[in-house]
Amino acid sequence: DGGITQSPKYLFRKEGQNVTLSCEQNLNHDAMYWYRQDPGQGLRLIYYSQIVNDFQKGDIAEGYSVSREKKESFPLTVTSAQKNPTAFYLCASSPSAAGELFFGEGSRLTVL
Amino acid sequence: GIQVEQSPPDLILQEGANSTLRCNFSDSVNNLQWFHQNPWGQLINLFYIPSGTKQNGRLSATTVATERYSLLYISSSQTTDSGVYFCAVVPSVWKTSYDKVIFGPGTSLSVIP
Repeated sequence: DGGITQSPKYLFRKEGQNVTLSCEQNLNHDAMYWYRQDPGQGLRLIYYSQIVNDFQKGDIAEGYSVSREKKESFPLTVTSAQKNPTAFYLCASSPSAAGELFFGEGSRLTVL
Repeated sequence: GIQVEQSPPDLILQEGANSTLRCNFSDSVNNLQWFHQNPWGQLINLFYIPSGTKQNGRLSATTVATERYSLLYISSSQTTDSGVYFCAVVPSVWKTSYDKVIFGPGTSLSVIP
């Protein structure tokens, strides 16, 4: 089935550790995005990418890093520099710039 | 920048009731989507509706772009309709900017048996 796969669904991390969240899509979409959602809040854009080897910072990029080495993959690394990393992370893709968004199931990160 | 408002912020319905959710935006838009975030957090696409009317089962949506609002209708609500409903817009002025998808604050819907 076509779609967006995020893994892991749940992740626990100790303070000071980096963690990488995976996002894979088989929809042949050009654009991919990472959003963060805190409890009871809306979505905030972390990073986005239009094409392979290109990505741009969103509104809250500090403490995060991404790569786009393949069209179908857009992993997000939450670094130890992120002061408050406990959140729900959502990956999305769209066929073209600012086109219809499709989301993965999300990854819930908890820092102990 | 563009402002996106949703109303009501919270809604409690008896199963079987109908409801209308509203999304207002302060400037012209190229795209508008409605999403349902279920209790497990997944965002599910409901409608991609920059203008006009669409229907999908018990749900329908209407966007009146010239008057800068969109409505989501839920008929014969079921407990599985519970969750948060978001509208998201892409302002016309940012036609080629990928990061300019603006989400509304959401409407939290609880359908009780």
